[in-house]
Amino acid sequence: KAGVTQTPRYLIKTRGQQVTLSCSPISGHRSVSWYQQTPGQGLQFLFEYFSETQRNKGNFPGRFSGRQFSNSRSEMNVSTLELGDSALYLCASSAGTLASTDTQYFGPGTRLTVL
Amino acid sequence: SQQGEEDPQALSIQEGENATMNCSYKTSINNLQWYRQNSGRGLVHLILIRSNEREKHSGRLRVTLDTSKKSSSLLITASRAADTASYFCATGSSPGTASKLTFGTGTRLQVTL
Repeated sequence: KAGVTQTPRYLIKTRGQQVTLSCSPISGHRSVSWYQQTPGQGLQFLFEYFSETQRNKGNFPGRFSGRQFSNSRSEMNVSTLELGDSALYLCASSAGTLASTDTQYFGPGTRLTVL
Repeated sequence: SQQGEEDPQALSIQEGENATMNCSYKTSINNLQWYRQNSGRGLVHLILIRSNEREKHSGRLRVTLDTSKKSSSLLITASRAADTASYFCATGSSPGTASKLTFGTGTRLQVTL
């Protein structure tokens, strides 16, 4: 079974631009979560989508948004980029049952650099 | 902000030795998971322990969970150079937000030959 894939793997943008990242979950998984990893703040939860609906949300500004398609693929968008948005963005997929055994499997990440 | 702290922040051992990492968290949990990350890449899932379990094994890995102390430990036995990585614990809280993992600060493990 193929793992979680993320595209692109690397991205360089300038301040003020916007960016869209893509995530394809493991086949059969209905939940996709996004995380931001920075040296200063570590790994932080952005949001989770399940069956095309946002089910959980972290403490990030509205510039960060996402969506999920009917095939469970998800996109994350960041508008008006700031230098502090430079990070590794990780996507995770799971069955989404919220059971105590529901495991999240992560993709390789997208490294975003904002200049 | 992160919920958990991991201890130690960095650990250097020789191949063949055991490595123990500790994780503490603040709120009640549904489960606790351990992940490995190699040099800024994606996270690899290692093991999941439910809140009603006290110990779990997987190959060379042993995880314990003490919910009364809100702490967990990961033991890697007979370490190898390939175990060199950062290790993170992550907690899922109530069932409704179990998918919202809260990560610890991580332990950087260096295994030398």
